[in-house]
Amino acid sequence: NAGVTQTPKFQVLKTGQSMTLQCAQDMNHNSMYWYRQDPGMGLRLIYYSASEGTTDKGEVPNGYNVSRLNKREFSLRLESAAPSQTSVYFCASSEARRGAGSGNFGAGTRLSVL
Amino acid sequence: QKEVEQNSGPLSVPEGAIASLNCTYSDRVSQSFFWYRQYSGKSPELIMSIYSNGDKEDGRFTAQLNKASQYVSLLIRDSQPSDSATYLCAVRFNKFYFGSGTKLNVKP
Repeated sequence: NAGVTQTPKFQVLKTGQSMTLQCAQDMNHNSMYWYRQDPGMGLRLIYYSASEGTTDKGEVPNGYNVSRLNKREFSLRLESAAPSQTSVYFCASSEARRGAGSGNFGAGTRLSVL
Repeated sequence: QKEVEQNSGPLSVPEGAIASLNCTYSDRVSQSFFWYRQYSGKSPELIMSIYSNGDKEDGRFTAQLNKASQYVSLLIRDSQPSDSATYLCAVRFNKFYFGSGTKLNVKP
C-alpha cells in the first residue's frame, strides 16, 4: 500500500522550461490537492480537485495548471518555470466528507528553478 | 489577513514537560480543524483532528477547540526529544488552510 506517490523527488529547471509533477494515490480518495511549501510560509494550496473531473484554484494558482486524469492521478504542470516557483511541492489526498483531514501526503518534490 | 495564524517559535520545553501550541483562525464557517507534525525534510503527518468545541485526547496529545474565540490548541504531555518538529495547524473551510507552523524543541 503505497499511499500517495509523487514523482520526481528532485528537479532542477532553467527559467522558462516546463515540467509536470505527477501524483497518484491508491486509497480510493475523491479529493486531491497540490501544495507548495516555502520557508516560513507553511503550506499554500495551489489547486485542488474535489472529485474526478473537477478542479479548482487555491491560494496561489498563477503559473500552474492541473489535470485530474482519473480518480487516482492528479498532475501539476509548470508551463514556463520562474525562480519564484522554487519550492517544495506536496500532493495530498483525502476523503470528500467534510471532516476528513488532508491526512495523506506524498513525500514531496524539491524543485529548483535557476 | 491570513486565514490561520501560528507563532513560528521556536518553542523550547524540557523533556517531560507539557508543550502548548496555539493557532487562531479567521471568522469563516469553519468545519474541521487539524494538527500535523512535520519533521525537517519530511512531509506533514496528521496527528489530531477535532470538529466540536472542547477537548479531544489521543495518548499524550490533547486538541482543544474554542469556536467562539476562534482558536485551536495542541497540548503534548510528557514531551520527548522525538516530539521536536514543526507543528502545523490546518482548518477546513471546504478547502484546507494551513498555518505557517510552530517549531518545537524538546531538550533532553
